[in-house]
Amino acid sequence: EDQVTQSPEALRLQEGESSSLNCSYTVSGLRGLFWYRQDPGKGPEFLFTLYSAGEEKEKERLKATLTKKESFLHITAPKPEDSATYLCAVGAPGANSKLTFGKGITLSVRP
Amino acid sequence: GAGVSQTPSNKVTEKGKYVELRCDPISGHTALYWYRQSLGQGPEFLIYFQGTGAADDSGLPNDRFFAVRPEGSVSTLKIQRTERGDSAVYLCASSLTAGNTEAFFGQGTRLTVV
Repeated sequence: EDQVTQSPEALRLQEGESSSLNCSYTVSGLRGLFWYRQDPGKGPEFLFTLYSAGEEKEKERLKATLTKKESFLHITAPKPEDSATYLCAVGAPGANSKLTFGKGITLSVRP
Repeated sequence: GAGVSQTPSNKVTEKGKYVELRCDPISGHTALYWYRQSLGQGPEFLIYFQGTGAADDSGLPNDRFFAVRPEGSVSTLKIQRTERGDSAVYLCASSLTAGNTEAFFGQGTRLTVV
């Protein structure tokens, strides 16, 4: 059974204080590792897909990296508007396209 | 439409009643998914459609839950004899095709069973 564990559960940063969010996973075969951002009362918003170990993707202050066992979402010089819950999910190979999500990491950035 | 649309945004129902939740996917997206999200948890897979057929319904918790997508576009999630434990946010997502493509989520329907 696919499993995704995210840590820490919550993270409070000062504006400009860089940090990383961790996503550890176990899966029979990785179709993709997905990062989503979720604001309160909203659906998840797609950020990145990573497919193979060593791959990196960047978007503004966010950078996602992938190894064979975990992924990191690095946040550089965060701003208060980066406050949200960040969800990690894995997809398994095959015709089934379902995603298995972690519980998410709630990030709060203080001005 | 521009994004995935879900209606209603909020639904309060009495225990034992029947409810229907609607999802309008992004135009042209063939894959459609339903997830359920409880407070403090990540979304949990319920069912996946490829076109009109349910390709995987392994996440449906029991036979009170059923979903259809008769014309390969709009989908309806149906819950019979609702229970208080069914209270959650029900999320719909669509993607262009199945496989290695990102899914785009709607804003969800918050279901409260009283």
